[in-house]
Amino acid sequence: DIEMTQSPSSLSASVGDRVTITCRASQDIYNFLAWYQQRPGKVPELLIYDASTLQSGVPSRFSGSGSGTDFTLTISSLQPEDVATYYCQKYNRVPLTFGGGTKVEIK
Amino acid sequence: QVQLVESGGGVVQPGRSLTLSCAVSGFTFSSYTIHWVRQAPGKGLEWVADISYDGSNKYYADSVKGRFTISRDNSKNTLYLQMNTLRVEDTAVYYCARDHYRSGSYYMDYWGQGTLVTVSS
Repeated sequence: DIEMTQSPSSLSASVGDRVTITCRASQDIYNFLAWYQQRPGKVPELLIYDASTLQSGVPSRFSGSGSGTDFTLTISSLQPEDVATYYCQKYNRVPLTFGGGTKVEIK
Repeated sequence: QVQLVESGGGVVQPGRSLTLSCAVSGFTFSSYTIHWVRQAPGKGLEWVADISYDGSNKYYADSVKGRFTISRDNSKNTLYLQMNTLRVEDTAVYYCARDHYRSGSYYMDYWGQGTLVTVSS
């Protein structure tokens, strides 16, 4: 099965900073990658699908890029409401697999 | 608005069974693949199973294959997860989530609030 590795596992940044999270697949998954945000105590929410398509209603400071095995989620200007754990998920075929998560905090 | 509401969680002894339900409203249930995803306390997300719009295709994670059964009743707008031979490591919040598409396994665009299953003696 394909493994999804996220890095870093956690980060702390200041409001307004540019934040980048990386997700690496153990095999080529083309662009079949989604990103989710899970705020503390809340349900996961879809941010991005097909590696770079923003889900409706998601702020434009979020963006995704990459294809093949290496992907990134970027927050262009970190806001207090972005404190959350972020997960990537591959869907080229079952089993669907999530990355281990990246916890983002405000410095 | 789209709503998915899970129920049926609780405390159960190892080796016993439990059935979760997910009642759906706000969209045409019979037109979408639906997933179960779980999250152990303080841990990450783990996909458990999914079922296509008409129930003809079902897929499972290796960790639950042979023990869990996913099913749906489109006349009742309800998804189910029959969990047998439960293990301590099955302890988690179980979410139902709608896939973006009717068939195939892709990504989840709407999630329920989850129901907690605790497996403990």
